[in-house]
Amino acid sequence: AAGVIQSPRHLIKEKRETATLKCYPIPRHDTVYWYQQGPGQDPQFLISFYEKMQSDKGSIPDRFSAQQFSDYHSELNMSSLELGDSALYFCASSYRIGANGYTFGSGTRLTVV
Amino acid sequence: AQSVSQHNHHVILSEAASLELGCNYSYGGTVNLFWYVQYPGQHLQLLLKYFSGDPLVKGIKGFEAEFIKSKFSFNLRKPSVQWSDTAEYFCAVNRGSSNTGKLIFGQGTTLQVKP
Repeated sequence: AAGVIQSPRHLIKEKRETATLKCYPIPRHDTVYWYQQGPGQDPQFLISFYEKMQSDKGSIPDRFSAQQFSDYHSELNMSSLELGDSALYFCASSYRIGANGYTFGSGTRLTVV
Repeated sequence: AQSVSQHNHHVILSEAASLELGCNYSYGGTVNLFWYVQYPGQHLQLLLKYFSGDPLVKGIKGFEAEFIKSKFSFNLRKPSVQWSDTAEYFCAVNRGSSNTGKLIFGQGTTLQVKP
């Protein structure tokens, strides 16, 4: 069965650079959630989209932005990267805002040096 | 603040021992509850979920959880753990009345099973 696809799997960036992370939800899923998981930390909700509109916003820095496109994939854009942005970023998708559960991607491991 | 609390941060057990991981949440009203497992380097995988109905929920790999509404708890149990259960376990909640469906996670419990 198709899963949630995230790219790239690993990313190394220098401070002050920009990064773009991509998330491709399961077919027919209309909702995407982005989470940040620091080393040894619990996942922190960043932002979500339902039917291509932002539906909720969590602890997402102003340096980050995201959107969901017409094919329902989503991109997380991160600018002016800081060392503290190093983390696992994963997305989850669902149908009708989690009515039947969520499927998680494997995540993008971002390292800022 | 609304939160999800997992009381055990690091649990070490021998194979065949019984497991119970605590999870409490602080939301009022209707909630949907989840337990996820994360093996090293892998993505979160659903163990079980509770939306409504029988408060004793059975999941994959022999895990079960009991929703006790009066205690705001959703503890995870397994009668006999295996070495392969070594992983990070996360309890998560979304509010049934939420129109966004975001999940709030607990801090996680690292389970180490000794062979």
